Amino acid sequence: GAGVSQSPSNKVTEKGKDVELRCDPISGHTALYWYRQRLGQGLEFLIYFQGNSAPDKSGLPSDRFSAERTGESVSTLTIQRTQQEDSAVYLCASSFSGTSGIHEQFFGPGTRLTVL
Amino acid sequence: AQSVTQLDSHVSVSEGTPVLLRCNYSSSYSPSLFWYVQHPNKGLQLLLKYTSAATLVKGINGFEAEFKKSETSFHLTKPSAHMSDAAEYFCVVSDPSSGYALNFGKGTSLLVTP
Repeated sequence: GAGVSQSPSNKVTEKGKDVELRCDPISGHTALYWYRQRLGQGLEFLIYFQGNSAPDKSGLPSDRFSAERTGESVSTLTIQRTQQEDSAVYLCASSFSGTSGIHEQFFGPGTRLTVL
Repeated sequence: AQSVTQLDSHVSVSEGTPVLLRCNYSSSYSPSLFWYVQHPNKGLQLLLKYTSAATLVKGINGFEAEFKKSETSFHLTKPSAHMSDAAEYFCVVSDPSSGYALNFGKGTSLLVTP
């Protein structure tokens, strides 16, 4: 595709519900990253996938957060039992490889999650 | 561990005057450094990146940044601000310790006045 796409663009949910966010990376990109951006803040790293290696989950804020990726394609970020503090824009990025710092990460437009 | 500190949360300049957005970093490795820009309701866009080649890096839209290891700085500059430069700017560091995940600063909001 032309760029990283994410869906939905907006999601409003009630506290305690589960939500699933989707990311379609650029074709051929082996590395995929999820970030969270709270209002007025920079991005927080959540999780990183590189090819078929085990993901780096070091940024996940709690065990309510999980993510999966099928091969080198689509990824889903799941938040269980959502809390109001989960409200943020969730951004996905992909790059050619995560094994070198020189590859630009291309960002999707984000999913704005609002937990009421 | 790695981190970045953007020294100003807000910067205001007049159109046509120079822009300076300050960033200091810390990293246990030779880091890669980036500046990203985020316009209102738009996605993040890479302005420029430093990856241990030339210390003066030129980016898009007339922006440039200089890597100064002795000062652990990577300040972003532009000789003459344009109204369209008004946006949020993020200084970013990455290194092998995090699998090259990007570590973002808190951002600097640039306001350009006529």
